[in-house]
Amino acid sequence: NAGVMQNPRHLVRRRGQEARLRCSPMKGHSHVYWYRQLPEEGLKFMVYLQKENIIDESGMPKERFSAEFPKEGPSILRIQQVVRGDSAAYFCASSLSGGNTEAFFGQGTRLTVV
Amino acid sequence: EDKVVQSPLSLVVHEGDTVTLNCSYEVTNFRSLLWYKQEKKAPTFLFMLTSSGIEKKSGRLSSILDKKELFSILNITATQTGDSAIYLCAADHTSPNYQLIWGAGTKLIIKP
Repeated sequence: NAGVMQNPRHLVRRRGQEARLRCSPMKGHSHVYWYRQLPEEGLKFMVYLQKENIIDESGMPKERFSAEFPKEGPSILRIQQVVRGDSAAYFCASSLSGGNTEAFFGQGTRLTVV
Repeated sequence: EDKVVQSPLSLVVHEGDTVTLNCSYEVTNFRSLLWYKQEKKAPTFLFMLTSSGIEKKSGRLSSILDKKELFSILNITATQTGDSAIYLCAADHTSPNYQLIWGAGTKLIIKP
């Protein structure tokens, strides 16, 4: 049973480009959480999704950021028109049920905006 | 505002020492506290604490929660270089949203 898979591991984008980060949850998990980690800071919640539904996006910036978790395929975190401040490690986690029971994390995607 | 504060922010000890990491929280509708270990990869789950005063152990690691004083500690005995990592704690609450409130982490370095 593969763990949570994120790709790419490293992503470099120029300012103004789009970044697409993918997260395949563990088999059987239908709950996905996205977090952003900035240097010297803890993990910051961004969005919680359950298959085809956004449950809580209160941690996600209102502009340029969007997330989806389609019926088939991975969850996608999309950042449009990236800026330098978007440079961070983005982690996704999945769980079998909601409510923050034990969540398993992916390896993260390190986004660098140049 | 809900918050989780970890201390110290960083800690350097020698192999074999015992360390205690602290996590205090101010969270409305608190439900549980979670500890994670983060090396150069994904955070890995260590403990979830729901009840006050009950110690959870896993090998050389142990943790306990004090819901009256609103803190938790993570103990690591007989430390090894492989324990070097960032240790994160997070508070879970039962409010309508599903966010975990994360601390900034304690960076632990074990010197041989």
